[in-house]
Amino acid sequence: SQKIEQNSEALNIQEGKTATLTCNYTNYSPAYLQWYRQDPGRGPVFLLLIRENEKEKRKERLKVTFDTTLKQSLFHITASQPADSATYLCALLSGGYNKLIFGAGTRLAVHP
Amino acid sequence: DVKVTQSSRYLVKRTGEKVFLECVQDMDHENMFWYRQDPGLGLRLIYFSYDVKMKEKGDIPEGYSVSREKKERFSLILESASTNQTSMYLCASSFGQDEGETQYFGPGTRLLVL
Repeated sequence: SQKIEQNSEALNIQEGKTATLTCNYTNYSPAYLQWYRQDPGRGPVFLLLIRENEKEKRKERLKVTFDTTLKQSLFHITASQPADSATYLCALLSGGYNKLIFGAGTRLAVHP
Repeated sequence: DVKVTQSSRYLVKRTGEKVFLECVQDMDHENMFWYRQDPGLGLRLIYFSYDVKMKEKGDIPEGYSVSREKKERFSLILESASTNQTSMYLCASSFGQDEGETQYFGPGTRLLVL
């Protein structure tokens, strides 16, 4: 069955460093992959989308890579700030009507 | 800005009660979704709708039903609430015309079934 894995352990980093989060998937060939941010008690908010024919996508301090051979996406936040502390979810297209399947998310904590 | 609203932020119900969760979006989106989110399990799709009066089962539809009588409103119904339905419920919508459309989420309803 289709499976998405994100590191369940929280990632703790120092302010100013680069945070790197991983999303791995199996039994799946998605046309695109999305990353969302979720703050406690709130709904996820879309950050970035990367398509299967794109290797890398950037938006301000965010960078996403997509390796369809490794079946992996990496999400980077450069010059991280305490305000970046949140849970980050990856999501893959699963069927029609833009139905998505989500990973469980990785919690990022950026310490001053 | 797209706005997705949910009728309640917190809800406490008793086992066996019928529960209605309402979701409204204001951007004329075609697709609407209901998820539940539990620690360690992530978001799991319960039902979705791609048009008025149209609905499709998601991955965990058992114990739930939905209604979409108007394009902007998508309701999730727990016919007879059970304690294992205690969870965070999230509604989302997407435009639906192009592949790769992002989903816009509501703030969530935290449901406790006693």
